[in-house]
Amino acid sequence: GAGVSQSPSNKVTEKGKDVELRCDPISGHTALYWYRQRLGQGLEFLIYFQGNSAPDKSGLPSDRFSAERTGESVSTLTIQRTQQEDSAVYLCASSGRGRGYTFGSGTRLTVV
Amino acid sequence: KNQVEQSPQSLIILEGKNCTLQCNYTVSPFSNLRWYKQDTGRGPVSLTIMTFSENTKSNGRYTATLDADTKQSSLHITASQLSDSASYICVVSVNNAGNMLTFGGGTRLMVKP
Repeated sequence: GAGVSQSPSNKVTEKGKDVELRCDPISGHTALYWYRQRLGQGLEFLIYFQGNSAPDKSGLPSDRFSAERTGESVSTLTIQRTQQEDSAVYLCASSGRGRGYTFGSGTRLTVV
Repeated sequence: KNQVEQSPQSLIILEGKNCTLQCNYTVSPFSNLRWYKQDTGRGPVSLTIMTFSENTKSNGRYTATLDADTKQSSLHITASQLSDSASYICVVSVNNAGNMLTFGGGTRLMVKP
């Protein structure tokens, strides 16, 4: 596609449930990032994938968070046993060699 | 520690006026600096990207400057419009690092009629 696509755009879930967020990067982009943005706050790095290299998971806030990406395709961010503090917008960005970063519109997660 | 600091945190201006947003960084080694505009409820959209050797770059009414010696950047908005109301985020890229982007906290701009 022309841009980075994220789904769902909005997700309301009950505390304790698991959620899965999806990111479709721009075709050919080798790098993919997940960020979290709490209301009124800046972007918080979560995880970075670069090609087939081991991902940089240093930003994941707890072991309830995990992400996967197969090759240079779709990535999923999974949050297990969601808590209210997980409520935020989750943004995905991708980039290719010599190209800029492109962000998706994000998934707004609300844990009730 | 790599850091990006932006000021002011928020700003209110009247339509038609100019404004300047500031970004100071301590990122090293420096690769490039980008300014993004983020409308409420949307993902960030790139305005400008500047490398070490570039001092200024314009995109319509937006002009970014970069002083690599003092590690400062500014984003100047000319003849502001109501649609300029958004958050403006300064993002610095680290050269050859895993987590390549360091984000500033953003400046929330509101343009009033």
